[in-house]
Parts: sequence; C-alpha cells; structure tokens
Amino acid sequence: EIVLTQSPGTLSLSPGERATLSCRASQSLSSSYLGWYQQKPGRAPRLLIYGASSRATGIPDRFSGSGSGTDFTLTISRLEPEDFAVYYCQQFGSSKWTFGQGTKVEIK
Amino acid sequence: QVQLQESGPGLVKPSETLSLTCTVSGFSISSGYYWGWIRQPPGKGLEWIGSIYHSGSPYYNSSLKSRVTISVDTSKNQFSLRLSSVTAADTAVYYCARTGVVATYWGQGTLVTVSS
Repeated sequence: EIVLTQSPGTLSLSPGERATLSCRASQSLSSSYLGWYQQKPGRAPRLLIYGASSRATGIPDRFSGSGSGTDFTLTISRLEPEDFAVYYCQQFGSSKWTFGQGTKVEIK
Repeated sequence: QVQLQESGPGLVKPSETLSLTCTVSGFSISSGYYWGWIRQPPGKGLEWIGSIYHSGSPYYNSSLKSRVTISVDTSKNQFSLRLSSVTAADTAVYYCARTGVVATYWGQGTLVTVSS
C-alpha cells in the first residue's frame, strides 16, 4: 500500500502570500493518479487538481499542481481569504486509494 | 448536475451493523464510473473505505475489508455501505462520492455515531 506523507502539517501565512504544500509517496506512482482536495470545516472535500497538474472545473488558476514519481506539490500563488482550509493529496493505485494526512493552511 | 445524498441512521450501537445509502441524481449509475465511500472521524483526516463499479466487483480498504460490503442498485440509482461489528472507532462523517482515479462529486456527508 502506498503511503502519502504531507508536509508541513500546518502552514501559517498571510493573504497574498504564496503557499507551497508537499506530498511525498512511499513508492513511485503515476502522475495520472494523484489528486489534491480542499476541505473547509463542516464541508465535503472539493477536488482541486487531478492528474497531478490539471485543474478541476471551476478551480482558479492561482492553484497549480506539479511533480512526478514520489514528490508532488500543490502551490497557491497568492492566498485569498477563502483559501484558508485543509488540503489533502490522494493517490489511486492497484485498485486502492490512500490519502495524505492533510496540511492546514491558516491565517498568520 | 451530478448530486449525491447519503441517508441512514445517525446512531448505531456497538457490535451492530452500520448501513448507509447514497442516492445519485443527475447521472445514471449504470452509465459508468466507480462509486465509493470515504469517512472522516471527528477532527481527523480522510479514509477511503471502498468503491464499486456499476457492474463489477467492489474493492475495499484492506484494513476494513473483513467488515465492509458495498453494493449497487441500478434500478434505484443508489449504492450502499454496510459496516459490521462497529465500535466507537467507526464514529465518523461518512461521504459517498463518484470515485475512479479521483473523486469529482461528493455527497454532503452524514455523521454516524457509534454509542450505546
């Protein structure tokens, strides 16, 4: 089973700053099978990125994904007030899913 | 627009079976895609439970496999989750979603508490 480790656990930033979130896999995986989600309190997760770098429908272009192999990154170029939330990476492989433990982006 | 809605008891006794149903609207399950369940204990992260294709075999999280059953009823455009022998550790918000490689559509989630 592939384990996803996200870092940092918490990111304290101000609106307008750049956020860089990391997701590291315990073994190499296909970029096609890596996604990122945003979750706000009391809400279901929302798909942001699929295929490691493709934005889902309606996602602003300040969100971007990159990476390959075992190292993947979600970047928020300029934080808007509504971007403060928890972010999860997720992989699909061998008919199994796993999630990272999440990174909380909080207001500094 | 694809919409999913979970339904089922919000309180289950320890050792009993948790049963939830997800009703899909705006898309016919029999048209394709995988359909799955994900849960989130209070204050914790997301855990995939399992997924099923409309006409295929389900596949499950290894850690829950012995207790989980996911099934599909295409006539009602629904899919269901059964989790047996529940304990307090199964207390969580349970989400249904259209899965596959990623989950594009999610239900709003339903809190299930395991308590006597």
